[in-house]
Amino acid sequence: EAGVVQSPRYKIIEKKQPVAFWCNPISGHNTLYWYLQNLGQGPELLIRYENEEAVDDSQLPKDRFSAERLKGVDSTLKIQPAELGDSAVYLCASSFRNNEQFFGPGTRLTVL
Amino acid sequence: GEDVEQSLFLSVREGDSSVINCTYTDSSSTYLYWYKQEPGAGLQLLTYIFSNMDMKQDQRLTVLLNKKDKHLSLRIADTQTGDSAIYFCAEKENTDKLIFGTGTRLQVFP
Repeated sequence: EAGVVQSPRYKIIEKKQPVAFWCNPISGHNTLYWYLQNLGQGPELLIRYENEEAVDDSQLPKDRFSAERLKGVDSTLKIQPAELGDSAVYLCASSFRNNEQFFGPGTRLTVL
Repeated sequence: GEDVEQSLFLSVREGDSSVINCTYTDSSSTYLYWYKQEPGAGLQLLTYIFSNMDMKQDQRLTVLLNKKDKHLSLRIADTQTGDSAIYFCAEKENTDKLIFGTGTRLQVFP
């Protein structure tokens, strides 16, 4: 069974540019999470989806970050415009009905 | 707000036992987890314990929970070089949100 797939694995952009990350969860998992992991820190939840609905986006900086999960499967996370402080690893995870979360390998973003 | 704390670094000799400690603040946590993260990889769930248990053993892993002191530990028996990684504890709130600690880097030397 395929795990959580994320792309790209690495992204380097200049500040003020837009960037998007893509996540394909494990088949059948209705809950999808986006986490931010800063260097030397644990992951912090940005947004959680139950199917197509964002049920917890309280930690998502809505002035520059947006996310969507249109058909309740794949999800994209976008930053526009990116700032230097956005350099981090962006992790996607999925679970079936809020049980064990399975994590993808993450996208490492570097903003120059 | 809720907080999960861990020591930053642990170094052990191959074959010895490792004990990684974690403290948390949310007394309403339902589950507590241990995750492992290898370089360049996502997090892998190692084990978890329900909040009404005080111990769980799974092969080389032993989890101890002291709910009164809000203290969680992970013991790895017969530590191997392949166990070198960052270990995160996490608590699950009653809202199903996971709060992670800062991670403990385990280094195993021969």
